[in-house]
Amino acid sequence: DIQMTQSPSTLSASVGDRVTITCRASQRISTWLAWYQQKPGKAPSLLIYGATSLQSGVPSRFSGSGSGTEFTLTISSLQPDDSATYYCQQYSSYWTFGQGTKVEI
Amino acid sequence: EVQLVESGGDLVQPGGSLRLSCVASGFNVNTYEMTWVRQAPGKGLEWVAFFSTSGKNIYYADSVKGRFSISRDNAKNSVYLQMDSLRVDDTGVYYCARYSTSWSFDSWGPGTQVAVSS
Repeated sequence: DIQMTQSPSTLSASVGDRVTITCRASQRISTWLAWYQQKPGKAPSLLIYGATSLQSGVPSRFSGSGSGTEFTLTISSLQPDDSATYYCQQYSSYWTFGQGTKVEI
Repeated sequence: EVQLVESGGDLVQPGGSLRLSCVASGFNVNTYEMTWVRQAPGKGLEWVAFFSTSGKNIYYADSVKGRFSISRDNAKNSVYLQMDSLRVDDTGVYYCARYSTSWSFDSWGPGTQVAVSS
């Protein structure tokens, strides 16, 4: 099984800050990686797929990078609405999520 | 507009059964792969089951294999999750999600709550 490890688990930042979340895969997954945002009491929503492609309707302040085993999600200028938990997910072999990163503003 | 709505969650005793339903609108479930994902209280996301467009490729997480069964009804534009031999650690919110052409889960329902407790 492919394990996904995110860091940090929790992140505190201010409005306007540049924020980066890291996701590491236990084996190479090329760019078979997605990022999701989940707000309390709500379903997750897709932000990024293919490691770097922005899902339609997602603000351009979100971006993804990486390939192989190391990936990052960057929020270029943090907004109040970005307070949420973010999950990476691999789909190279079945589907596995990271443990999540809670972003507090 | 694409929409998914789950139902069927309930409080059940260990060893019991439940059948979750997911009704889709805005697209035909037989033209997309469909999945179930769950989330235990205060925990992260766990993929549970996958149903291909052809119906020939069905996959389960090891944690539910042999106990859960995913199915589809094209006429009702719905996907189902039959859950048998339920355990306390099956407790959580169960989400139905569409597997997109970008190989990620691009649409999700609001979820249905399953509680397994004596």
